Amino acid sequence: DAKTTQPNSMESNEEEPVHLPCNHSTISGTDYIHWYRQLPSQGPEYVIHGLTSNVNNRMASLAIAEDRKSSTLILHRATLRDAAVYYCILRNQGGKLIFGQGTELSVKP
Amino acid sequence: EAEVAQSPRYKITEKSQAVAFWCDPISGHATLYWYRQILGQGPELLVQFQDESVVDDSQLPKDRFSAERLKGVDSTLKIQPAELGDSAMYLCASSEQLVTEAFFGQGTRLTVV
Repeated sequence: DAKTTQPNSMESNEEEPVHLPCNHSTISGTDYIHWYRQLPSQGPEYVIHGLTSNVNNRMASLAIAEDRKSSTLILHRATLRDAAVYYCILRNQGGKLIFGQGTELSVKP
Repeated sequence: EAEVAQSPRYKITEKSQAVAFWCDPISGHATLYWYRQILGQGPELLVQFQDESVVDDSQLPKDRFSAERLKGVDSTLKIQPAELGDSAMYLCASSEQLVTEAFFGQGTRLTVV
C-alpha cells in the first residue's frame, strides 16, 4: 500500500488560510488522494478527494502536484471549528482506506 | 441527511467476556469498513466488506475477532474473549463506490476492565 507523509502538527491563526501538505512519492497512477479530518471524540469526516486535477468544494480546496507525488489541502479561512487531525490517504481501486498519523491542526483566535 | 449508525456508543466489559458491536451503513452503500482507533493514533483498518464478502481482513486478529455482514447490509463485529488491550474506539464506515467518499459513524468506545 502506498504511504503518505504529513507533518505531525501545524498552527494557524483564525481567519487566515491554511495549507496542509502531504507527500506520497510512491503513489500509483490509479490511486485517489483523499483527505479526512477528525474532531475530538468523533468519527472521521470526509473533506475532499481528487485524482489528477485540483478540486474545490464548500469545505476546502485540494491542490495536486503535476507529478502527483504531493498534494496540499487548503482551508481558505480557518475557524476555531477547523481545529482537528487531518489525514491524507491514498485510496486504491480496491477501495482500501489506510490512515496514517495525520496532522494535528490548532487554530489560534 | 443519511448517517452510518453504530451501537452501542459506549461499552464497558470485563476481561474474557464477549462483546459485540453493530453497524448500519448508509442505504445502498456496498462497501463497509471496521476500524479500531487507540487514543492518540490514527484508525487501523480491521476488515473491509464488499456487499456480504470480505475483501480484506489481513489486520483482523482472527483468534478473537470476527466480523460478518450476512445480507450485505448491516454488520456485526465481535470480540471473544476481550482483553485489556482491546480498549479503543471501534469505527464503522461505508461508501457507495470503492473510490468515492467514505462516511463514518460516531463509533463505539470500548473499555475492558
